[in-house]
Amino acid sequence: GAVVSQHPSWVICKSGTSVKIECRSLDFQATTMFWYRQFPKQSLMLMATSNEGSKATYEQGVEKDKFLINHASLTLSTLTVTSAHPEDSSFYICSAVGLDNTGELFFGEGSRLTVL
Amino acid sequence: AQSVSQHNHHVILSEAASLELGCNYSYGGTVNLFWYVQYPGQHLQLLLKYFSGDPLVKGIKGFEAEFIKSKFSFNLRKPSVQWSDTAEYFCAVSPGGYNKLIFGAGTRLAVHP
Repeated sequence: GAVVSQHPSWVICKSGTSVKIECRSLDFQATTMFWYRQFPKQSLMLMATSNEGSKATYEQGVEKDKFLINHASLTLSTLTVTSAHPEDSSFYICSAVGLDNTGELFFGEGSRLTVL
Repeated sequence: AQSVSQHNHHVILSEAASLELGCNYSYGGTVNLFWYVQYPGQHLQLLLKYFSGDPLVKGIKGFEAEFIKSKFSFNLRKPSVQWSDTAEYFCAVSPGGYNKLIFGAGTRLAVHP
């Protein structure tokens, strides 16, 4: 099946720094990628929809200046957490839908961010 | 607001027991429905999906789900669980048939040998 890879799988940073998380579709081209956030023992919360070559669409309550999303190619989307604070600590998961758009999303393995 | 409800947050079963996990959604229009599984330390994997047609959908690893439109439900079932089914199960809905998924809170299943 289609593979989506995230990097890094875990990262620890100091408060006030920025962290970039990459999401790559390894064996298919993804016109659309989604970024989710998962709090401990909670469900996935959709943060934003990332479309190749255009601005991301953010869900209500998600700060677009805080969570910068770039989808520069059909195989790569990045999420940058700017000026990270401890409350940004979470598990961030990306997913992608292929060009053939079968309706199935393929998920990355997630990136755990810990802000000290 | 659109939402997905999973009734059981934590289920404990013995091997060979039957499983049914409830999922209800609130959206009046066309929906695509999914069940995903997340094994410990692994990423989400698709178990099964419903877009249209036969409301009884069969997925991988012996799982099946039934879409009951009148009840806005999409319950997941397996006749006989195995220890390897220990995982977290998420019901998800894409309202309007679009790719954006709304997830339920998840059900953590523990199967004891």
